[in-house]
Amino acid sequence: AQSVAQPEDQVNVAEGNPLTVKCTYSVSGNPYLFWYVQYPNRGLQFLLKYITGDNLVKGSYGFEAEFNKSQTSFHLKKPSALVSDSALYFCAVRENNNNDMRFGAGTRLTVKP
Amino acid sequence: DTEVTQTPKHLVMGMTNKKSLKCEQHMGHRAMYWYKQKAKKPPELMFVYSYEKLSINESVPSRFSPECPNSSLLNLHLHALQPEDSALYLCASSQATGVVGGYTFGSGTRLTVV
Repeated sequence: AQSVAQPEDQVNVAEGNPLTVKCTYSVSGNPYLFWYVQYPNRGLQFLLKYITGDNLVKGSYGFEAEFNKSQTSFHLKKPSALVSDSALYFCAVRENNNNDMRFGAGTRLTVKP
Repeated sequence: DTEVTQTPKHLVMGMTNKKSLKCEQHMGHRAMYWYKQKAKKPPELMFVYSYEKLSINESVPSRFSPECPNSSLLNLHLHALQPEDSALYLCASSQATGVVGGYTFGSGTRLTVV
C-alpha cells in the first residue's frame, strides 16, 4: 500500500526566509502526490498536486513542490515565508489514482516575525 | 459552488445517544469520503463511496454507519460511541475514480463523546 513520510514534526523559519517542508513517498505504482494545509479547527485546504509532467509544480499562495523520482521525494517550498503561512502541512499520496489517499503525519510550520 | 458543507460543526453526545453527521457537495463529484482526525494526527480514512456505492470500509467499528442517499449527500450515523471516538470528522469529495485530482474537504464536525 502507498505511504508518505514527513520526517520533521516541526519547522521554524523567520518571515521573509525561504521554507522547505519535506516529504518522501512509497508506492508500487504511479504516484499521485498532494500537499494540503490545515489551520486550527478547520478542514484541509488543497495547495498543489503532482500527477505527471514537469517536476516543479506551482500551487496556491506562492507554494511550489518538486517531484524527485530517484529520491522518492516531494518537498514543499516557498521562496519567502509569511507569518500567515504558520499552519499544519500534510503530504498525501494516491497510487494509480485509486480512491485511497494516505496522509503523512503532518509538519507544523511556524513562521516568526 | 466549490465547497463541501458539513453539519453540525460541533456535537456533544452521550455514549447511549444516536446522532448523525451530514455532508453535502454540489460540485458534481461522484466520490465521497469520511476521515477521522485525532488531535495533532493525520486524517485516517474511514469510508469511501463511489457513485453512491460503498467501495472502501477501513475496518471501522459498526457503531459508525455510513449512508450515501444521493450523489450530493453523505451521512455518518453514530450509535453507542465511546469516549475514544471523540475526534474531528472530515468529509471530502472528488471527481470519480479514473479522474486524476485532489480532494475537497469540508471544515469538519468536532465530536465529543461523554
